[in-house]
Amino acid sequence: NAGVTQTPKFRVLKTGQSMTLLCAQDMNHEYMYWYRQDPGMGLRLIHYSVGEGTTAKGEVPDGYNVSRLKKQNFLLGLESAAPSQTSVYFCASSYLFGSGTDTQYFGPGTRLTVL
Amino acid sequence: EDQVTQSPEALRLQEGESSSLNCSYTVSGLRGLFWYRQDPGKGPEFLFTLYSAGEEKEKERLKATLTKKESFLHITAPKPEDSATYLCAVMGSARQLTFGSGTQLTVLP
Repeated sequence: NAGVTQTPKFRVLKTGQSMTLLCAQDMNHEYMYWYRQDPGMGLRLIHYSVGEGTTAKGEVPDGYNVSRLKKQNFLLGLESAAPSQTSVYFCASSYLFGSGTDTQYFGPGTRLTVL
Repeated sequence: EDQVTQSPEALRLQEGESSSLNCSYTVSGLRGLFWYRQDPGKGPEFLFTLYSAGEEKEKERLKATLTKKESFLHITAPKPEDSATYLCAVMGSARQLTFGSGTQLTVLP
């Protein structure tokens, strides 16, 4: 099993450009998440999904949109990139939602730079 | 609002020199306290979950403990391959993970 995969691994954008980050998981997990990681701030939840066709806002959702058209895929979109969105983005998935008895499995990350 | 503070930010140890990493937290309705390991350029990798004060879990040279306000990750006789950033996170009644900013551990041979 590949687990959680993310594409691309690196991307450089100019301010105002758009892009989509793709996350795929092969563990048949119902729940998926997008986080951003910035120096000194830890991982912060952007959006999450509790099932195919459903999405919800996390702690820092502004400037991002998401879609979950298939159970195994979770897309994160930036419609008009800003330098403040320069970060490392991680996707995660889990079998249970909000359970202390389960864990989230993380992908390898996408490093995004917005000039 | 759940909060997690990790200390120190960075720690350099000689191989074999034992030490502890601290995770202080405030949470409403603790569902679990998680420890992850993150290597450079990679995603976090799950290590432990602790659920209640007094609980302890071990894995190789790592031992995690939990009180009502803190968790410690004890590293006994570390090796260079233990070098990584260690992340602490809590899940409370909001059912979302809140992460600390991590402790970057370097173990020198």
